[in-house]
Amino acid sequence: DIVLTQSPGTLSLSPGERATLSCRASQRVSSNYLAWYQQKPGQAPRLLIYGASSRATGIPDRFSGSGSGTDFTLTISRLEPEDFAVYYCQRYGSSPPWTFGQGTKVEIK
Amino acid sequence: EVQLVESGGGLVQPGRSLRLSCAASGFTFDDSAMHWVRQTPGKGLEWVSGISWNGGIIGYADSVRGRFAISRDNAKNSLYLQMNRLKPEDTALYYCAKDSSSWYSGRFDPWGQGTLVTVSS
Repeated sequence: DIVLTQSPGTLSLSPGERATLSCRASQRVSSNYLAWYQQKPGQAPRLLIYGASSRATGIPDRFSGSGSGTDFTLTISRLEPEDFAVYYCQRYGSSPPWTFGQGTKVEIK
Repeated sequence: EVQLVESGGGLVQPGRSLRLSCAASGFTFDDSAMHWVRQTPGKGLEWVSGISWNGGIIGYADSVRGRFAISRDNAKNSLYLQMNRLKPEDTALYYCAKDSSSWYSGRFDPWGQGTLVTVSS
């Protein structure tokens, strides 16, 4: 199974700052089938990015994804108050099991 | 609006069974693959099981294979998870999720609000 390792575990930033979250895979992620989800307390995860860099429907353009192969990045260009949450990366595609990273918490500094 | 509403969770003793249900609305259910994903504070998010639109493709995580069974009833717009021989490590919040692509891809969007399963004596 592909193991996804996210870093850092926690990111302490102020509103308006830029957030850069990393996701590293233990093996190449084929076709860049890498997704990012946002989860706020008491809520289910929400899909933000798929295909490593495509925004899901309704996701603001301050969220962007990049990367390929084994190294992927989620960037939030300017943090809004509602962006403080936990973010997960996930490998999807034709071959389960589909695995998640352990999450990065973006907290208010 | 797409809605997924899980039910059937609760407290159950180890070794017993439980059946989860997910009622879907707001989209063409029989066009969509569906999944169960669980979440625990310790292990994070774990894909549990998935089923293609017609049930022709079914998959399970190694941790539940042979104990859990996924099924769907397209006439009722419903997804199910039959959980047998439950273990304490199955304790989790179980989410129903729609596959957001046009195939059985394991890309989840949206998710329901979850139903809590607690396995304890």
